[in-house]
Formats: sequence, structure tokens, C-alpha cells
Amino acid sequence: GQQVMQIPQYQHVQEGEDFTTYCNSSTTLSNIQWYKQRPGGHPVFLIQLVKSGEVKKQKRLTFQFGEAKKNSSLHITATQTTDVGTYFCAGGGVSGGSNYKLTFGKGTLLTVNP
Amino acid sequence: NAGVTQTPKFRVLKTGQSMTLLCAQDMNHEYMYWYRQDPGMGLRLIHYSVGEGTTAKGEVPDGYNVSRLKKQNFLLGLESAAPSQTSVYFCASSYSMTAVSYEQYFGPGTRLTVT
Repeated sequence: GQQVMQIPQYQHVQEGEDFTTYCNSSTTLSNIQWYKQRPGGHPVFLIQLVKSGEVKKQKRLTFQFGEAKKNSSLHITATQTTDVGTYFCAGGGVSGGSNYKLTFGKGTLLTVNP
Repeated sequence: NAGVTQTPKFRVLKTGQSMTLLCAQDMNHEYMYWYRQDPGMGLRLIHYSVGEGTTAKGEVPDGYNVSRLKKQNFLLGLESAAPSQTSVYFCASSYSMTAVSYEQYFGPGTRLTVT
């Protein structure tokens, strides 16, 4: 069954509103990665988190890795139309597997109304 | 550098036909992967390779075969295509001796339709 759950599946916001997507794993992860896929495009790497409780920021994007290394979140402050796309989390080391082998969540599709 | 390239970009097959998808990377990456992406299903790993001459099964390997005869190339084969294999296929690569993360680089994808 699905080992990396991601919610919500869809999120529609007004430009300027904040957005958050959440990722939960049934097992402890060695690392979590986040990817963005624009409509019609391919996934593009955003960030990797490795340490328990780690928080990283990229401009308006904030990424967190939970203390138990089972959950993660991506928060976007003041969304812009350029943020439109599907955001995927991907866990490495699911069920004790290899660090480089990723299990992807189903993604959150973000649409932004200008 | 071209990064990761995939051939072809689009293909329509009839049930029972065979085809090979080609992935090439010029980043000297050790690991390569094949995923399929279906609406609402995210990315699911079909097969992967941790080095030249080695391959392993992923989450959804049935109906597919792979080969990695050269480090830079990873081939995905469909021996007898079925409508359930209609999907977008992405190739990805990761890790080199100088890498600090397991970041995966994706190709542009191949849109396959089986009728």
C-alpha cells in the first residue's frame, strides 16, 4: 500500500495567500526530498532534508522534517502565479530500504488565482 | 551538458506491440531510474540501476524489462504492450562520487499510448 501519504491532493488559493502541503510516512525515513512539477513538465528537485527537526528556507519556501523523521511539510508564503504546479515529497529509505531509492507521495496540485 | 534525455517524446502502440525507450545522461551518474506517472498516482518506480550491468525491480516492474549496458544509458523495454501501460514515463539519474545529496535529475518524459 501507499507508504508515503501526501495531503491535500489539490489546493486552490488566491495570489498572496499562504500554502502548505504535508507528507507522512508509515516508517522512519533516511531523507526526504521535495520536487516541483509544472504542468506538462518534469519533476525538478527543490531540496533534501536529512536531520531530525531540520528546517530549511528558500526565499518564500520553508521546508521542515519532523523530529521522528516520519513527516515533512512545505510552506509557501504569499503565493505567486509562478508557484503553480504539483509539489511532490519523496522519502528515501522507506521500510529500511536504500537512501537513494525514493518513494513518492501522490503530490499536491497548487493552482493560484491572480 | 544536456542532462537527462529521453527518446522518443511521444509514441502510440497497438496492443501486443513492443518498443524500447532510451534514456541517456551525461552527468556521470551511477544510479538511474525508470518511473511511470499516471493521473492521481504520483511517480511509481518501475526498475532502477545502481551501476553499469546491474538492474533491480522497483514497485511496479511487471510487463517491463531494462538493461544498462553502458553507464550513461538505461533502456526500458515493453515486450507486449497493454492498454494499462498507457502512461508518461520518466527517466531519472542521481549520485556521482562528488555528490552531496541523492537529488534525482529527471528527463523530459515519454508519453506512451497503447490502443
